[in-house]
Amino acid sequence: DTGVSQDPRHKITKRGQNVTFRCDPISEHNRLYWYRQTLGQGPEFLTYFQNEAQLEKSRLLSDRFSAERPKGSFSTLEIQRTEQGDSAMYLCASSDRASGSSYEQYFGPGTRLTVT
Amino acid sequence: GQNIDQPTEMTATEGAIVQINCTYQTSGFNGLFWYQQHAGEAPTFLSYNVLDGLEEKGRFSSFLSRSKGYSYLLLKELQMKDSASYLCAVTGAAKAAGNKLTFGGGTRVLVKP
Repeated sequence: DTGVSQDPRHKITKRGQNVTFRCDPISEHNRLYWYRQTLGQGPEFLTYFQNEAQLEKSRLLSDRFSAERPKGSFSTLEIQRTEQGDSAMYLCASSDRASGSSYEQYFGPGTRLTVT
Repeated sequence: GQNIDQPTEMTATEGAIVQINCTYQTSGFNGLFWYQQHAGEAPTFLSYNVLDGLEEKGRFSSFLSRSKGYSYLLLKELQMKDSASYLCAVTGAAKAAGNKLTFGGGTRVLVKP
């Protein structure tokens, strides 16, 4: 399978714990995005990388959130001191400028986080 | 900022046609996307419009009017498997926004036999 993969698919954690999610984009896609989606809502943009550079962060991304893409391939999203409000589906997407003018984003299956 | 509105829910009968409207207000515009999302799954790309007019792709068509800030997704010959949420998303000025997507809340379409 050459699509976007995310790990883990599900994570249950207690309030105050730290969690880390991983995203492997489609090979050679230079752009990687993180979104958060709560039930019944559309995804909300969190942050974006072009290669290894983090070029934009949403105001939704508090100081407890950090994302990295150290070698311009996979990315990690860490949430420190989790709160119940962090419970959501975290989606990763990738795109490639060379794939045409549409900049279509391909989404991974998501990591569903539940904070108890 | 960007604001995107679409109906919350629509119901239609198998074999019929449904039109999902989307209105948007953006500070920059570089295209409008429609995605399909089945419950518990990732969004999958359906269509992209950057110029005014209708784009047809099989049973699905998408229309854009930039002057009106309006788009619709037309689903024809509805099938039960079309029951899903349909997400309208706008991308801003390419270089400035990195083509991040701003999504509407999604329209849940229920297809009944």
